[in-house]
Amino acid sequence: LAKTTQPISMDSYEGQEVNITCSHNNIATNDYITWYQQFPSQGPRFIIQGYKTKVTNEVASLFIPADRKSSTLSLPRVSLSDTAVYYCLVGDSMDSNYQLIWGAGTKLIIKP
Amino acid sequence: EAGVTQFPSHSVIEKGQTVTLRCDPISGHDNLYWYRRVMGKEIKFLLHFVKESKQDESGMPNNRFLAERTGGTYSTLKVQPAELEDSGVYFCASSQVVSGSDNEQFFGPGTRLTVL
Repeated sequence: LAKTTQPISMDSYEGQEVNITCSHNNIATNDYITWYQQFPSQGPRFIIQGYKTKVTNEVASLFIPADRKSSTLSLPRVSLSDTAVYYCLVGDSMDSNYQLIWGAGTKLIIKP
Repeated sequence: EAGVTQFPSHSVIEKGQTVTLRCDPISGHDNLYWYRRVMGKEIKFLLHFVKESKQDESGMPNNRFLAERTGGTYSTLKVQPAELEDSGVYFCASSQVVSGSDNEQFFGPGTRLTVL
């Protein structure tokens, strides 16, 4: 059973900022929040990971409120090539039996 | 630096046959994972190697699946005998042995297995 809940799909337009929110009400104290991106016929690709507050890298930002029961992946100024499935995952990376538990992901479609 | 590679990219076999999938992780990555996505379903964890040892194989569906990682380098996943429900995409991922937040898993392109 996936630990996360995300919208099944979202649409947006080129140049817009896209925010995808993920719910993880049962997140544990040691769990980190990780987002992956997957294009058709490719393996998932790591985007960003965080524990609390805000994390930013060259690709995206991740906003995590104080209660950590949700998180928001923010993609600035999306382009057509950002059309993909985005997965939100939570897990305890310090656990020797750490494994990624995947949900259905959010299918993001960017339109011209 | 080469990424995770998988071979073959696509395999079509008949029910009852044997297939062996191969994964070459990123050099120096001790952790190697196998996942699969069956048609219409979510990606599911199969097992996790740390070097040559099976750390967690709780996701292996049954004893028709055998994974090995001799020498702690590349890994193979054998399905014998294959059944129709084994069709799907098999992903391999690797990561370094690091603590805390930096445990990014790098995925290969996957092997699409079709059992007829």
